[in-house]
Amino acid sequence: GAVVSQHPSRVICKSGTSVKIECRSLDFQATTMFWYRQFPKKSLMLMATSNEGSKATYEQGVEKDKFLINHASLTLSTLTVTSAHPEDSSFYICSARVPGLSTYEQYFGPGTRLTVT
Amino acid sequence: GENVEQHPSTLSVQEGDSAVIKCTYSDSASNYFPWYKQELGKRPQLIIDIRSNVGEKKDQRIAVTLNKTAKHFSLHITETQPEDSAVYFCAASLSSNYKLTFGKGTLLTVNP
Repeated sequence: GAVVSQHPSRVICKSGTSVKIECRSLDFQATTMFWYRQFPKKSLMLMATSNEGSKATYEQGVEKDKFLINHASLTLSTLTVTSAHPEDSSFYICSARVPGLSTYEQYFGPGTRLTVT
Repeated sequence: GENVEQHPSTLSVQEGDSAVIKCTYSDSASNYFPWYKQELGKRPQLIIDIRSNVGEKKDQRIAVTLNKTAKHFSLHITETQPEDSAVYFCAASLSSNYKLTFGKGTLLTVNP
């Protein structure tokens, strides 16, 4: 089956610093990856769509200069939280879509728990 | 944009009983409806999905039904087991962008 990994699984950083989270598709090439944010006991909120070789598409209300997304290869997308603040603390999850015109399934990474102190 | 409503927010059943979770969506152009199971601190796992050209799909103890006219779809779990306890999310997606819009989730507790 399709496997998606994320690194790191947990990160603690100080306010004002930047943190990079990696999302990798291990056994398939993903032209499209998605980044979500999930608060405790809440649903997943789509932040942005990451397209290989082009600029990410951000959802309304998501600051693109704060959440930098790079999708430089068909198996790797990165999310950088810049100048992190305590309110950025959350569970960040990526997903990748198996390519194909009739393929809709998305497979999720294990998530990254970010704590900003 | 798409809006997905999910009910109930919590559901408690006895082991062996059935559980039903319902979702409605707003965008009639949505054509893909997955269900995910998420255990605490873990990734969402795809458990079943259905496309708009199908009315029902079953996989062992799990089934999903879709009513396109009413714009609602449901997850049915039969013969529930304690290991079914988790948060279940429904979602809807358009083929034009493949973006998933999630419901708010249902915390299912199966009591032994």
